[in-house]
Amino acid sequence: EAGVAQSPRYKIIEKRQSVAFWCNPISGHATLYWYQQILGQGPKLLIQFQNNGVVDDSQLPKDRFSAERLKGVDSTLKIQPAKLEDSAVYLCASSLRGGSSYNEQFFGPGTRLTVL
Amino acid sequence: AQKVTQAQTEISVVEKEDVTLDCVYETRDTTYYLFWYKQPPSGELVFLIRRNSFDEQNEISGRYSWNFQKSTSSFNFTITASQVVDSAVYFCALSEARGGATNKLIFGTGTLLAVQP
Repeated sequence: EAGVAQSPRYKIIEKRQSVAFWCNPISGHATLYWYQQILGQGPKLLIQFQNNGVVDDSQLPKDRFSAERLKGVDSTLKIQPAKLEDSAVYLCASSLRGGSSYNEQFFGPGTRLTVL
Repeated sequence: AQKVTQAQTEISVVEKEDVTLDCVYETRDTTYYLFWYKQPPSGELVFLIRRNSFDEQNEISGRYSWNFQKSTSSFNFTITASQVVDSAVYFCALSEARGGATNKLIFGTGTLLAVQP
C-alpha cells in the first residue's frame, strides 16, 4: 500500500514570495491533515479536512495561508506572502476517517521550507 | 488545556543499554488517546503505539515497552537493548475524544535519542 506522498521535498524562497505544497493521501482515507513542524518543536495542526470539507482550521494563519482539498483526495497548502517565521517542515497526514481520535494518522515525508 | 511535556531534550546511550523516554500530559477530558511516534532523519513520522485512557495495561512489543500511569499522567516509553537504528526523535502525542469531527494530535517537543555504537 502506497503511503502519503508529498512534493516538493525541499523548497527555498525569498520572503514575500508565494509557495505551494502538494499532498496525496493514502487511497481511501477520508481525513487529511496539514501540520507545521518548526525546528526543535513538535508538529502543530494547521488544518484538518474531512473529505473536501474543513473540520478544523483554528490554527491556520488565514491572512497568508490557504488550503484546499478538491474532490476529497489531493490537497494543496499555499503560503502567500511567506515570512521568515514560516520556515519549517510541512507534514501531511491522512487517516481512514475523522470523528474518532482512535484512528491512526499516517504521515508523509514532509516538505522542508526555508524562507530567506 | 491540553499539553504534552517531554522534559528530556536529548539522550545519548551506548548500544545495548536500556533507555526510557518520559512523557507527561495534561488534559481535562476523561476520554483521550496517547501516542508515540518515531521521526528518523528522513523526516517521516512513524506510528509506534496508541493507548486509550481506559486501558492502563503496560504493553510490550519486541524491544519496546510502554508504561501508562493515569495517577501521574505519564506515558513512558522504554527501549531495551538499544540499537543504532533506534536513533531518532521520539514524540509523545495526545488526542482528545470529544465526539466532534476534529481529532488533532497535540505533540510534545520530542526527545532526540542518539545510540552510539
